[in-house]
Amino acid sequence: NAGVTQTPKFQVLKTGQSMTLQCAQDMNHNSMYWYRQDPGMGLRLIYYSASEGTTDKGEVPNGYNVSRLNKREFSLRLESAAPSQTSVYFCASSTWDLSYEQYFGPGTRLTVT
Amino acid sequence: ELKVEQNPLFLSMQEGKNYTIYCNYSTTSDRLYWYRQDPGKSLESLFVLLSNGAVKQEGRLMASLDTKARLSTLHITAAVHDLSATYFCAVESNTGNQFYFGTGTSLTVIP
Repeated sequence: NAGVTQTPKFQVLKTGQSMTLQCAQDMNHNSMYWYRQDPGMGLRLIYYSASEGTTDKGEVPNGYNVSRLNKREFSLRLESAAPSQTSVYFCASSTWDLSYEQYFGPGTRLTVT
Repeated sequence: ELKVEQNPLFLSMQEGKNYTIYCNYSTTSDRLYWYRQDPGKSLESLFVLLSNGAVKQEGRLMASLDTKARLSTLHITAAVHDLSATYFCAVESNTGNQFYFGTGTSLTVIP
């Protein structure tokens, strides 16, 4: 099992450009999440999808959109990138098994200039 | 909004010493998670604490949860260099499926 995979690993964008970060999991998990990690701020939840067909805002959703394409895939889109969106983005997945223990992907390092 | 505070933010300790990392959170929650992150890497799950009084141990690390005090601790016993990493606690909201992370504790174990 590959677990949670993310593409790309690195990306540099100019202000105003758009891009989509891809995430896929092969663990048959129901829930998927997108986080951003900034120095000194831990991880902050951007959006999550509790199950296929549903998405909800997290702590910091402004400037982002998501699509739960199917049970395996959850994408994050930046429509018009801003320097404040420079960050490391992590995708995670979980399923209910006495808890929602999350499994994280390797991350995407995004720089917006 | 649920707030999660960890302290200390930075911890430098000698091999063989013991220390405790604290995780406080602001509103009621019954589930708390500890993760480890090595530099430039992803997060690895260490412990899942599901109820008041829960205690889990793995090697030199022991985690506990006091939901009434809204406090979790991660205790390190006889630290070794391999434990050097950043440790995060994360609290699950009682409405389910939303997680709030602490700012992390960067641990350096000095030989």
